[in-house]
Amino acid sequence: GAVVSQHPSRVICKSGTSVKIECRSLDFQATTMFWYRQFPKQSLMLMATSNEGSKATYEQGVEKDKFLINHASLTLSTLTVTSAHPEDSSFYICSPRDRAGVGLEAFFGQGTRLTVV
Amino acid sequence: AQSVTQPDIHITVSEGASLELRCNYSYGATPYLFWYVQSPGQGLQLLLKYFSGDTLVQGIKGFEAEFKRSQSSFNLRKPSVHWSDAAEYFCAVEAGRRALTFGSGTRLQVQP
Repeated sequence: GAVVSQHPSRVICKSGTSVKIECRSLDFQATTMFWYRQFPKQSLMLMATSNEGSKATYEQGVEKDKFLINHASLTLSTLTVTSAHPEDSSFYICSPRDRAGVGLEAFFGQGTRLTVV
Repeated sequence: AQSVTQPDIHITVSEGASLELRCNYSYGATPYLFWYVQSPGQGLQLLLKYFSGDTLVQGIKGFEAEFKRSQSSFNLRKPSVHWSDAAEYFCAVEAGRRALTFGSGTRLQVQP
C-alpha cells in the first residue's frame, strides 16, 4: 500500500496558539487531500477537501478561517488549527488520493491527536 | 447523499466465538465499500474492500465480508475471534466524491 506520513502524532498546545499538522504522501502524487476529524468515541467526519494548487472546500459547520489548509504540492498538505481552543481537541487524519479516479483504496495518515489546554 | 449505519455500538464476544458486525448503506448505486479497524489512539487499518465482482470478500486477519445488494448491507464476519481483535470497527463507503463516509463504529470487546 501507499505510504502516508502524518506529523506530529500527538501535540499539546495552549489555548489561543496555532498548530500545524503535516501530511505527506511518500510514493504517489496526492492530487486530492481529504482531512477528517474524529472526536472521542465518535466516527470520522470529513472536514475539508483540497486539490493541489486550489483552495480547499470545507464541509458545512467547519470554519475555514480556523482550519487553514495548504496543498501546494502533490506530496504535501498541511492543516493549521489557528487560535486553538479546547473544543478543537480531537484526532485529525489526512487521506491523500491520486488522480487515478474513484474506487481505489483510500490511504490514511497515522493521525494527529491534538489536545488544547 | 450517502449514509452508513452500523446498528451495533458495542459488541462483546468470547474468544474463539464467531463474529458478525453489521453495516448498512444508503446510496442510489453500488458504492465502493470498506471495513477499517482502529485500535485505541491509533490510525485506521484497512481490513478489506469491495469494488466489484465476487460479493464475498476476503480480508486480512481472517476477516471476510459479504456484499448483499438487495439488503444494502456489507456485514463483516470472522469465524473465530482472538483477543487481539478487540478494537473499534468502521464501515465506510465511497460514493462518487472520493471522500469516505464512515459509519458510527462498533466497539468490539473480547472476553477470555
